[in-house]
Amino acid sequence: DQQVKQNSPSLSVQEGRISILNCDYTNSMFDYFLWYKKYPAEGPTFLISISSIKDKNEDGRFTVFLNKSAKHLSLHIVPSQPGDSAVYFCAASGSNYKLTFGKGTLLTVNP
Amino acid sequence: DAGVIQSPRHEVTEMGQEVTLRCKPISGHNSLFWYRQTMMRGLELLIYFNNNVPIDDSGMPEDRFSAKMPNASFSTLKIQPSEPRDSAVYFCASSPQLNYGYTFGSGTRLTVV
Repeated sequence: DQQVKQNSPSLSVQEGRISILNCDYTNSMFDYFLWYKKYPAEGPTFLISISSIKDKNEDGRFTVFLNKSAKHLSLHIVPSQPGDSAVYFCAASGSNYKLTFGKGTLLTVNP
Repeated sequence: DAGVIQSPRHEVTEMGQEVTLRCKPISGHNSLFWYRQTMMRGLELLIYFNNNVPIDDSGMPEDRFSAKMPNASFSTLKIQPSEPRDSAVYFCASSPQLNYGYTFGSGTRLTVV
């Protein structure tokens, strides 16, 4: 049973446009959400996070939005750059600090 | 800071053989996590340690899997006997404490033939 779902295995966008990556979760006990980025042959690296007490967190070109009622979060990248091409993982955690990951979305930013 | 160091980077072994994956966490990090990545299941948490003590091993798939952390600077994940379905990328991650600041290693790609 996937508690964190990323329903789009892949996404392709043009350089300079907005990339929107989506994530849904089912466990209402999750209270902290993170996005990780992964390049081939490397481990995932932390990108941005959001607590359940917020609905938006912004860091430069990256913004994460949280809709608790819909159990949905999204990552916006604007403007998208070719170097953003990677697999993006959504992750969620509750009080036990265990991170539960989605299966990832492969983002390709075309020059 | 060398980051989380995993060895080997690649491992190819025959079914039935014992496999040992190694991890050196970042110095000063008290929590260590083992994850497995497959196409079907994505990133799954296998086990995690806090201050060298296993806290939760509910993700370990079978008794064939075991993990140890004999000291703060070293952990192993052992599969005995290995099976083709164990083929995956195994990641180790560490964090300063039980929080969300995970740093992942580069992973070990295991292929069991």
